[in-house]
Amino acid sequence: SQQGEEDPQALSIQEGENATMNCSYKTSINNLQWYRQNSGRGLVHLILIRSNEREKHSGRLRVTLDTSKKSSSLLITASRAADTASYFCATGVANSGGYQKVTFGTGTKLQVIP
Amino acid sequence: EAGVAQSPRYKIIEKRQSVAFWCNPISGHATLYWYQQILGQGPKLLIQFQNNGVVDDSQLPKDRFSAERLKGVDSTLKIQPAKLEDSAVYLCASSPPVNSPNEKLFFGSGTQLSVL
Repeated sequence: SQQGEEDPQALSIQEGENATMNCSYKTSINNLQWYRQNSGRGLVHLILIRSNEREKHSGRLRVTLDTSKKSSSLLITASRAADTASYFCATGVANSGGYQKVTFGTGTKLQVIP
Repeated sequence: EAGVAQSPRYKIIEKRQSVAFWCNPISGHATLYWYQQILGQGPKLLIQFQNNGVVDDSQLPKDRFSAERLKGVDSTLKIQPAKLEDSAVYLCASSPPVNSPNEKLFFGSGTQLSVL
């Protein structure tokens, strides 16, 4: 089952514009992660935000987390054609064994038009 | 640092045949995941290992899928017999312990399976 639901499913913007993707989830989490996938193959980790954090930045990426609403958003500023990819949120739930179960959302397909 | 290695990259089989996928995680990563990603969907967790023990296989179709991780390193995922709906990309990932500085998932390139 999918833990996260992402919105929108698809997004098309012009180069230079900002792109915002939203993720909602159902259960309590330890962290929320965002991944990028090109061409339906291996995923690449972008950023992780822990449950006690509200906002995090990495380069052109800004992630927010609202645990009371069980939602997160990923903002990509000044988008480039190379940002065209699918983006997935994933929830991390840790247990006493020192590992985490990571469950992925449905994804947002971003197209950046040059 | 070497990444997660998977093989083969592509596999085409007929329904009812069997197939196996191999994964070598990053050295030192105790946690290993197998995900199934059907075209247009997000990855679905099939099975998760902690060292050589299974910690979650709730979404693994156990009548046809099996996986093992001998010696807590390499892992194989097998499908026998395959069905048309098994056509997907099979992704292997590994991760360091929770709350470590780099507690993200590292993915291999995946195996694209087509069942005809």
